[in-house]
Amino acid sequence: SQQGEEDPQALSIQEGENATMNCSYKTSINNLQWYRQNSGRGLVHLILIRSNEREKHSGRLRVTLDTSKKSSSLLITASRAADTASYFCATDDRGSTLGRLYFGRGTQLTVWP
Amino acid sequence: NAGVTQTPKFQVLKTGQSMTLQCAQDMNHEYMSWYRQDPGMGLRLIHYSVGAGITDQGEVPNGYNVSRSTTEDFPLRLLSAAPSQTSVYFCASTTQGDEKLFFGSGTQLSVL
Repeated sequence: SQQGEEDPQALSIQEGENATMNCSYKTSINNLQWYRQNSGRGLVHLILIRSNEREKHSGRLRVTLDTSKKSSSLLITASRAADTASYFCATDDRGSTLGRLYFGRGTQLTVWP
Repeated sequence: NAGVTQTPKFQVLKTGQSMTLQCAQDMNHEYMSWYRQDPGMGLRLIHYSVGAGITDQGEVPNGYNVSRSTTEDFPLRLLSAAPSQTSVYFCASTTQGDEKLFFGSGTQLSVL
C-alpha cells in the first residue's frame, strides 16, 4: 500500500507554540498534500508540494519534502486554539489517475488556550 | 458555488437494506471519488470516476456500486448493507491542473 503514515498520532500543545507533524510514504510520488479535518467535517486542502520541491510556505504553514527518505513534515507556527483539528498527509502514485490519493491515519492536534 | 454536496448527513440502516448516498458538485470537475473513513484507518478510496460514463474501483470497492451519468452527480449505492459498512463516507472532486481534492461534508452511516 502507498498509504502514508503520520507521526505522532496525537499532539497536544499550548497556544503560541509550534506544531510539527511528520508523514512517511512508500513509493514514488508526483506530489504530496496536507489536509485538515475539523471534528465532524470534511477535509480541507492546506498545501501541496511537488516531488521536485524541498520546501513550501503558506501563511503559518511550512512543508518540507525529502524524496530520498520518502518523508514530509508539516510545521504550524504560532499555533492557535482554532488550529485544533486532525491533519492528514496524502500522496498520489507516480503514473496513477488524477485525484487518486492515498491518505494516512492522521495526527490529532490539540491546541490549548 | 456550493462545492461538493452530500446527502443525507446521517443514515441508519438495518443489515440487508439498500440505499444510495448522493453526491453532487457544481464546479464542472471531471474527477469524482468516494472515500470511507474509519477510526484509526484514515481515508480509503472506494470508487472513482474520471468523467461521465467512466468509473473504476479503488482500494475497498466490495459491497458498493457507482455510476456516473452526468458530470455533476456521482451516487454510491449499497445493495445489501452490512455492519462492516458502518463508516463515514466522503465524496470528493477535482479537475485536471488542480490536483487538490474538494470534499463534501460527509455522510455518517450506521448499519445495525
